[in-house]
Amino acid sequence: EVMLVESGGRVVRPGGSLRLSCAASGFKFKDFGMSWARQVPGKGLEWVSGINWNGMTTGYADSLKGRCIISRDNAKNSLYLEMNNLRIDDTGVYFCAKIKGDYVDSAFSYYMDAWGKGTAVSVS
Amino acid sequence: EIVLTQSPGTLSLSPGETATLSCRASQRINSQSLAWYQHKLGQAPRLLIHGASSRATGIPDRFGGSGSGTDFTLTISRLEPEDFAVYYCQQYGDSPWAGGPFGPGTKVEVK
Repeated sequence: EVMLVESGGRVVRPGGSLRLSCAASGFKFKDFGMSWARQVPGKGLEWVSGINWNGMTTGYADSLKGRCIISRDNAKNSLYLEMNNLRIDDTGVYFCAKIKGDYVDSAFSYYMDAWGKGTAVSVS
Repeated sequence: EIVLTQSPGTLSLSPGETATLSCRASQRINSQSLAWYQHKLGQAPRLLIHGASSRATGIPDRFGGSGSGTDFTLTISRLEPEDFAVYYCQQYGDSPWAGGPFGPGTKVEVK
């Protein structure tokens, strides 16, 4: 069974920093891309960041670009999100997700096929 | 930048009824990049549909996805008590690190 367990969320002051972790089990972690998404209070889901299988390629949402770094340690089956210069509107629940790719019609398509329950970040 | 719009914002239905949820993209998208998720407060979001119409593993056949171009639909037949939740569509990018926008969500609530 795929399991993703996030940790590291806490109360932090505006301008502060935080490192979130995601422990993965139940699948070959090193074979899959991973993502972080968040849910801001009263709003919907927002994709935050993604990383390929070996950590060499990353992507970020504009809202967090330049303020966060996604990384992974395949030896530890772990995903990380380091966030800096946090703002009040970064408050929310942060989820990690496994990325699945399908090869259809001569192209790859991707989706988030397993998620964790999230870790709560409060910036105040 | 692609923007996804979902309607209605809230759907009030009774168990046993059918829910029809709409997701519209601001420009034409590859239907293979469109997914639907179910989310209940305090729980992990759950993948329902990928590639616009393919049910994820373990998803009951009362959940169906359709559409192409800019207009996509999630249909939930014979609503069960556990189906009352918020549903999001998402257009994922063409690489694992690319991500993509979610729609604002449709809440399916008990009438």
